[in-house]
Amino acid sequence: SQTIHQWPATLVQPVGSPLSLECTVEGTSNPNLYWYRQAAGRGLQLLFYSVGIGQISSEVPQNLSASRPQDRQFILSSKKLLLSDSGFYLCAWSPGSPEQYFGPGTRLTVT
Amino acid sequence: QKEVEQNSGPLSVPEGAIASLNCTYSDRGSQSFFWYRQYSGKSPELIMFIYSNGDKEDGRFTAQLNKASQYVSLLIRDSQPSDSATYLCAVRSSGYALNFGKGTSLLVTP
Repeated sequence: SQTIHQWPATLVQPVGSPLSLECTVEGTSNPNLYWYRQAAGRGLQLLFYSVGIGQISSEVPQNLSASRPQDRQFILSSKKLLLSDSGFYLCAWSPGSPEQYFGPGTRLTVT
Repeated sequence: QKEVEQNSGPLSVPEGAIASLNCTYSDRGSQSFFWYRQYSGKSPELIMFIYSNGDKEDGRFTAQLNKASQYVSLLIRDSQPSDSATYLCAVRSSGYALNFGKGTSLLVTP
Protein backbone atom coordinates (compact mmCIF):
# COMPACT_ATOMS: atom_id res chain seq x y z
CA SER A 1 0.00 0.00 0.00
CA GLN A 2 0.99 3.60 -0.47
CA THR A 3 2.38 5.73 2.35
CA ILE A 4 3.18 9.43 2.37
CA HIS A 5 5.63 10.97 4.83
CA GLN A 6 6.29 14.56 5.76
CA TRP A 7 8.90 16.09 8.01
CA PRO A 8 9.34 17.80 10.24
CA ALA A 9 5.97 17.51 11.96
CA THR A 10 6.29 20.91 13.60
CA LEU A 11 8.62 23.81 13.02
CA VAL A 12 9.13 27.21 14.63
CA GLN A 13 11.23 29.60 12.57
CA PRO A 14 12.07 33.32 12.88
CA VAL A 15 11.12 35.79 10.18
CA GLY A 16 13.75 35.95 7.47
CA SER A 17 15.05 32.42 8.01
CA PRO A 18 15.10 29.75 5.27
CA LEU A 19 12.69 26.85 5.04
CA SER A 20 12.86 23.32 3.71
CA LEU A 21 9.99 20.87 4.06
CA GLU A 22 10.20 17.39 2.65
CA CYS A 23 7.59 14.94 1.43
CA THR A 24 8.14 11.37 0.23
CA VAL A 25 5.74 8.77 -1.07
CA GLU A 26 6.23 5.03 -0.84
CA GLY A 27 4.55 2.18 -2.68
CA THR A 28 3.83 3.89 -5.98
CA SER A 29 5.69 5.26 -8.96
CA ASN A 30 5.26 8.45 -10.97
CA PRO A 31 2.67 9.98 -8.64
CA ASN A 32 1.32 13.48 -9.06
CA LEU A 33 2.46 15.48 -6.04
CA TYR A 34 0.98 18.59 -4.46
CA TRP A 35 1.78 21.15 -1.76
CA TYR A 36 -1.14 22.81 0.00
CA ARG A 37 -1.26 25.33 2.83
CA GLN A 38 -4.05 25.58 5.37
CA ALA A 39 -3.96 28.88 7.25
CA ALA A 40 -6.11 29.63 10.28
CA GLY A 41 -9.64 30.52 9.22
CA ARG A 42 -8.94 29.84 5.58
CA GLY A 43 -9.48 26.90 3.32
CA LEU A 44 -6.84 24.69 1.82
CA GLN A 45 -4.85 26.52 -0.83
CA LEU A 46 -2.89 24.74 -3.53
CA LEU A 47 0.66 26.10 -3.74
CA PHE A 48 2.45 23.81 -6.20
CA TYR A 49 1.91 20.60 -8.08
CA SER A 50 4.19 18.28 -10.04
CA VAL A 51 3.44 15.61 -12.61
CA GLY A 52 7.03 14.40 -12.89
CA ILE A 53 10.67 14.88 -11.92
CA GLY A 54 11.69 18.49 -12.39
CA GLN A 55 8.18 19.53 -13.49
CA ILE A 56 6.71 22.11 -11.11
CA SER A 57 3.66 24.28 -11.58
CA SER A 58 2.95 27.19 -9.28
CA GLU A 59 -0.61 28.15 -8.43
CA VAL A 60 0.05 31.16 -6.20
CA PRO A 61 2.93 33.66 -6.64
CA GLN A 62 4.77 34.10 -3.35
CA ASN A 63 8.16 33.67 -1.71
CA LEU A 64 7.95 29.88 -1.72
CA SER A 65 9.38 27.45 -4.24
CA ALA A 66 9.13 23.73 -4.83
CA SER A 67 11.37 21.08 -6.32
CA ARG A 68 11.03 17.43 -7.25
CA PRO A 69 14.52 15.95 -7.39
CA GLN A 70 13.32 12.34 -7.39
CA ASP A 71 10.15 10.58 -8.53
CA ARG A 72 8.70 10.23 -5.04
CA GLN A 73 10.24 13.25 -3.33
CA PHE A 74 8.76 16.74 -3.20
CA ILE A 75 10.41 19.64 -1.40
CA LEU A 76 8.99 23.03 -0.40
CA SER A 77 11.47 25.82 0.22
CA SER A 78 11.79 29.46 1.04
CA LYS A 79 14.85 31.70 1.21
CA LYS A 80 13.28 34.15 3.68
CA LEU A 81 10.17 33.39 5.69
CA LEU A 82 7.44 35.94 6.32
CA LEU A 83 4.99 36.00 9.21
CA SER A 84 2.24 35.27 6.69
CA ASP A 85 3.92 31.96 5.83
CA SER A 86 2.69 30.42 9.10
CA GLY A 87 0.25 27.59 8.58
CA PHE A 88 -0.28 23.88 8.18
CA TYR A 89 1.59 22.60 5.13
CA LEU A 90 0.21 19.50 3.54
CA CYS A 91 1.72 17.31 0.87
CA ALA A 92 -0.65 15.19 -1.18
CA TRP A 93 -0.29 12.59 -3.89
CA SER A 94 -2.55 11.14 -6.54
CA PRO A 95 -2.06 8.10 -8.77
CA GLY A 96 -3.11 10.05 -11.85
CA SER A 97 -6.81 9.84 -11.07
CA PRO A 98 -8.45 12.91 -9.51
CA GLU A 99 -8.44 11.64 -5.89
CA GLN A 100 -5.72 13.17 -3.72
CA TYR A 101 -4.36 11.67 -0.50
CA PHE A 102 -2.74 13.83 2.13
CA GLY A 103 0.31 13.31 4.28
CA PRO A 104 0.36 14.07 8.01
CA GLY A 105 1.40 17.69 7.49
CA THR A 106 3.94 20.13 8.91
CA ARG A 107 2.77 22.85 11.26
CA LEU A 108 4.92 25.93 10.68
CA THR A 109 4.98 28.91 13.01
CA VAL A 110 6.96 31.94 11.91
CA THR A 111 7.86 34.22 14.83
CA GLN B 1 -13.21 32.71 -9.19
CA LYS B 2 -14.13 29.09 -8.57
CA GLU B 3 -15.86 28.99 -5.22
CA VAL B 4 -16.88 26.16 -2.96
CA GLU B 5 -19.26 27.11 -0.18
CA GLN B 6 -20.04 25.25 3.01
CA ASN B 7 -21.88 26.22 6.16
CA SER B 8 -19.20 26.51 8.84
CA GLY B 9 -21.47 25.06 11.55
CA PRO B 10 -21.14 23.68 14.07
CA LEU B 11 -23.74 21.13 13.07
CA SER B 12 -24.82 19.24 16.17
CA VAL B 13 -26.61 15.89 15.91
CA PRO B 14 -27.36 13.26 18.53
CA GLU B 15 -25.66 9.90 18.41
CA GLY B 16 -27.45 7.50 16.05
CA ALA B 17 -29.01 10.27 13.94
CA ILE B 18 -28.32 11.15 10.31
CA ALA B 19 -25.93 14.04 9.75
CA SER B 20 -26.42 15.97 6.52
CA LEU B 21 -23.58 18.12 5.22
CA ASN B 22 -24.01 20.37 2.22
CA CYS B 23 -21.77 22.07 -0.32
CA THR B 24 -22.38 24.30 -3.32
CA TYR B 25 -19.93 25.19 -6.06
CA SER B 26 -19.77 27.94 -8.62
CA ASP B 27 -18.05 26.35 -11.63
CA ARG B 28 -20.66 24.55 -13.72
CA GLY B 29 -17.89 22.70 -15.54
CA SER B 30 -16.75 20.89 -12.40
CA GLN B 31 -16.32 17.17 -12.90
CA SER B 32 -15.10 15.58 -9.67
CA PHE B 33 -16.30 16.00 -6.11
CA PHE B 34 -14.73 14.91 -2.86
CA TRP B 35 -15.46 14.79 0.85
CA TYR B 36 -12.60 14.86 3.33
CA ARG B 37 -12.77 14.43 7.09
CA GLN B 38 -10.32 16.41 9.21
CA TYR B 39 -9.90 15.86 12.93
CA SER B 40 -8.53 18.75 14.93
CA GLY B 41 -4.79 19.09 14.40
CA LYS B 42 -4.68 16.33 11.79
CA SER B 43 -4.51 16.23 8.02
CA PRO B 44 -7.60 15.69 5.82
CA GLU B 45 -8.63 12.12 5.08
CA LEU B 46 -10.50 11.26 1.87
CA ILE B 47 -13.77 9.52 2.75
CA MET B 48 -15.88 9.79 -0.41
CA PHE B 49 -15.67 10.88 -4.01
CA ILE B 50 -18.36 11.10 -6.65
CA TYR B 51 -18.21 11.91 -10.34
CA SER B 52 -21.75 11.25 -11.63
CA ASN B 53 -25.15 12.64 -10.75
CA GLY B 54 -27.01 10.65 -8.14
CA ASP B 55 -26.02 8.84 -4.98
CA LYS B 56 -22.93 6.87 -4.02
CA GLU B 57 -22.93 4.80 -0.86
CA ASP B 58 -20.00 3.47 1.15
CA GLY B 59 -20.87 1.99 4.52
CA ARG B 60 -22.52 4.66 6.66
CA PHE B 61 -21.63 7.40 4.16
CA THR B 62 -23.65 8.51 1.15
CA ALA B 63 -22.52 11.22 -1.24
CA GLN B 64 -25.18 12.91 -3.35
CA LEU B 65 -24.47 14.99 -6.45
CA ASN B 66 -26.79 17.28 -8.38
CA LYS B 67 -24.87 19.00 -11.15
CA ALA B 68 -27.88 20.96 -12.38
CA SER B 69 -28.20 22.60 -8.97
CA GLN B 70 -24.40 22.66 -8.42
CA TYR B 71 -24.90 20.93 -5.13
CA VAL B 72 -23.13 18.04 -3.42
CA SER B 73 -23.97 16.58 -0.04
CA LEU B 74 -22.71 13.99 2.41
CA LEU B 75 -25.02 11.95 4.61
CA ILE B 76 -23.66 10.10 7.62
CA ARG B 77 -26.05 7.49 8.97
CA ASP B 78 -25.98 6.23 12.55
CA SER B 79 -23.66 9.09 13.54
CA GLN B 80 -21.10 8.27 16.20
CA PRO B 81 -19.14 10.59 18.52
CA SER B 82 -16.03 9.52 16.57
CA ASP B 83 -17.56 11.22 13.50
CA SER B 84 -17.12 14.59 15.22
CA ALA B 85 -14.71 16.44 12.94
CA THR B 86 -14.57 19.09 10.24
CA TYR B 87 -15.79 17.91 6.84
CA LEU B 88 -14.22 19.51 3.80
CA CYS B 89 -15.88 19.58 0.40
CA ALA B 90 -13.52 19.72 -2.57
CA VAL B 91 -14.24 20.22 -6.25
CA ARG B 92 -12.05 19.66 -9.27
CA SER B 93 -12.98 21.80 -12.23
CA SER B 94 -10.07 21.53 -14.63
CA GLY B 95 -6.37 20.88 -14.40
CA TYR B 96 -5.03 19.32 -11.23
CA ALA B 97 -6.13 21.65 -8.47
CA LEU B 98 -8.84 20.82 -5.97
CA ASN B 99 -10.81 23.82 -4.75
CA PHE B 100 -11.76 23.36 -1.11
CA GLY B 101 -14.53 24.82 0.97
CA LYS B 102 -13.67 26.04 4.45
CA GLY B 103 -15.39 23.05 6.02
CA THR B 104 -18.35 22.25 8.23
CA SER B 105 -17.74 21.36 11.85
CA LEU B 106 -19.82 18.34 12.95
CA LEU B 107 -20.44 17.51 16.60
CA VAL B 108 -22.11 14.22 17.46
CA THR B 109 -23.38 14.26 21.02
CA PRO B 110 -23.75 11.04 23.06
